[in-house]
Amino acid sequence: RKEVEQDPGPFNVPEGATVAFNCTYSNSASQSFFWYRQDCRKEPKLLMSVYSSGNEDGRFTAQLNRASQYISLLIRDSKLSDSATYLCAVNTGDMRFGAGTRLTVKP
Amino acid sequence: EADIYQTPRYLVIGTGKKITLECSQTMGHDKMYWYQQDPGMELHLIHYSYGVNSTEKGDLSSESTVSRIRTEHFPLTLESARPSHTSQYLCASGNYGYTFGSGTRLTVV
Repeated sequence: RKEVEQDPGPFNVPEGATVAFNCTYSNSASQSFFWYRQDCRKEPKLLMSVYSSGNEDGRFTAQLNRASQYISLLIRDSKLSDSATYLCAVNTGDMRFGAGTRLTVKP
Repeated sequence: EADIYQTPRYLVIGTGKKITLECSQTMGHDKMYWYQQDPGMELHLIHYSYGVNSTEKGDLSSESTVSRIRTEHFPLTLESARPSHTSQYLCASGNYGYTFGSGTRLTVV
């Protein structure tokens, strides 16, 4: 079993849609959690950290459920520029990344 | 402006050649990492370092080696490149969330 598993995707949504990604992790001792965005043929870039209380950054909301060992990312009012691969990452001492979920936002 | 730098950005090299991929960061991070990623595939940790003179192998078996003589510098070396080494190599640093370099896209012919 992989340490970090994500929705397989791909997600194809129209502009303005709300889309949610889920990610589960296996190590209950995981210490910190993140969402990264990776554009095609580019490096991953940190999108946001994920806290137990949930956190929001504009149209993006991240949630952590330690009891169920999953994290989520909600994107509201999708833009064309949101098209990318979204990676969840779990720090257990070293960062472990999910395989990523590809999002395409269409006009 | 990038605080972690990788060179070269692209490299095409013949089989059997020795190559070194450079990675430097100006953020003073103790922890540095090398990941390998094939197109459209997931990141695989191949090496990491928690500080000067500390290096460890990651999850993915790799024929590469690394060194950490200075905090800011974490080069990766392939003694004898093979076509199976063709991939993108990403360096990262950070003690909490990671910052990635732009990567080196390596092609071995």
